[in-house]
Amino acid sequence: GESVGLHLPTLSVQEGDNSIINCAYSNSASDYFIWYKQESGKGPQFIIDIRSNMDKRQGQRVTVLLNKTVKHLSLQIAATQPGDSAVYFCAEIGGSGNTGKLIFGQGTTLQVKP
Amino acid sequence: NAGVTQTPKFRILKIGQSMTLQCTQDMNHNYMYWYRQDPGMGLKLIYYSVGAGITDKGEVPNGYNVSRSTTEDFPLRLELAAPSQTSVYFCASSYSTKSGNTIYFGEGSWLTVV
Repeated sequence: GESVGLHLPTLSVQEGDNSIINCAYSNSASDYFIWYKQESGKGPQFIIDIRSNMDKRQGQRVTVLLNKTVKHLSLQIAATQPGDSAVYFCAEIGGSGNTGKLIFGQGTTLQVKP
Repeated sequence: NAGVTQTPKFRILKIGQSMTLQCTQDMNHNYMYWYRQDPGMGLKLIYYSVGAGITDKGEVPNGYNVSRSTTEDFPLRLELAAPSQTSVYFCASSYSTKSGNTIYFGEGSWLTVV
């Protein structure tokens, strides 16, 4: 969904634990979603994507879940490592077809404690 | 390929000055985007383009202008700089917006308006 100017929420986890980062989106017409990782001073880095005709997609140590009924997206990181510490954003492509409008969600700061 | 190149990397502007942030990509991508990211916040879409000669407003277009005369270049113009435009600006490009791992981001341009 659109940010209303709130600072990013923070998730703090112990190294080795699993992390779950959540995202709510507002456009029910969105049919493509992406999770990005952003490290300090750098641009967003692609992690994983999912299309609206899927509920779940797995990558290496990451899983994205999509619940279209409640317009909710989550990113699960298995065995979280210190290198996973970063800000995580979900992004959505709105509308049908290839509209080109890529909108970012609010983001969550992940802190991994050694 | 150089990917997405943004210039300048850092700039300090006085209130009321104008400047252009340059963005160029050498991947023959149709889609290009400009985002701003305020400290500790998410990315907000300023303008985007689905091809040469076509531009559209994003979430926060006020105070900015863009043009897309060629496929490669997508400059962002600030006409009358204001302190509220102090931010980090990211340019991005993609071949297809429905394939997240083909969306490339530039390294960012840090702009301060004083």
